[in-house]
Amino acid sequence: DGGITQSPKYLFRKEGQNVTLSCEQNLNHDAMYWYRQDPGQGLRLIYYSQIVNDFQKGDIAEGYSVSREKKESFPLTVTSAQKNPTAFYLCASREGPQVNNSPLHFGNGTRLTVT
Amino acid sequence: GDSVTQMEGPVTLSEEAFLTINCTYTATGYPSLFWYVQYPGEGLQLLLKATKADDKGSNKGFEATYRKETTSFHLEKGSVQVSDSAVYFCALSETGTASKLTFGTGTRLQVTL
Repeated sequence: DGGITQSPKYLFRKEGQNVTLSCEQNLNHDAMYWYRQDPGQGLRLIYYSQIVNDFQKGDIAEGYSVSREKKESFPLTVTSAQKNPTAFYLCASREGPQVNNSPLHFGNGTRLTVT
Repeated sequence: GDSVTQMEGPVTLSEEAFLTINCTYTATGYPSLFWYVQYPGEGLQLLLKATKADDKGSNKGFEATYRKETTSFHLEKGSVQVSDSAVYFCALSETGTASKLTFGTGTRLQVTL
């Protein structure tokens, strides 16, 4: 079955450490996205990529980095510069790049806790 | 910029009650509109969508009509079930940007027996 796989489901880190969240898709989608979800704030866009080897900052990119070396993979690194990294992180993909009425397909998320 | 406003929750209903979750939007062009549902501990799943004015999206008994004159996309269901308990997100995708969706803050629905 086609879909998006995020791993791990739960991740614990100490403050000051960088951590990388994995996102893999086998939907052959061009566009991929990272969202952060906090209680009462909905989803906020961190980074997105419309094609391989290209990505753009979203609304809250500070303290995060991404790469898009392969179409299937869009890993997100949460750096020590992110002031409040504890959150639920969602990866998504979409047909594209020029298909605005296609829906996003989401993974099941990674819950990151930094102490 | 684009924005989506949803009614605050939680919305608590008895089983078989009628559901309405309000959603209004602000956009410069002619966006596509979506409703997503999120069950506990999971990602979001597409519930329904509408791509132009007066379109009605429907799925699993849920419906929403794209109203350009009122810039709204309210979600409705005639008879809710306990299994419908989840968080519902309204979202829009602006014409021509081909990139990001803008989401509302979500509305939690709790259905009781």
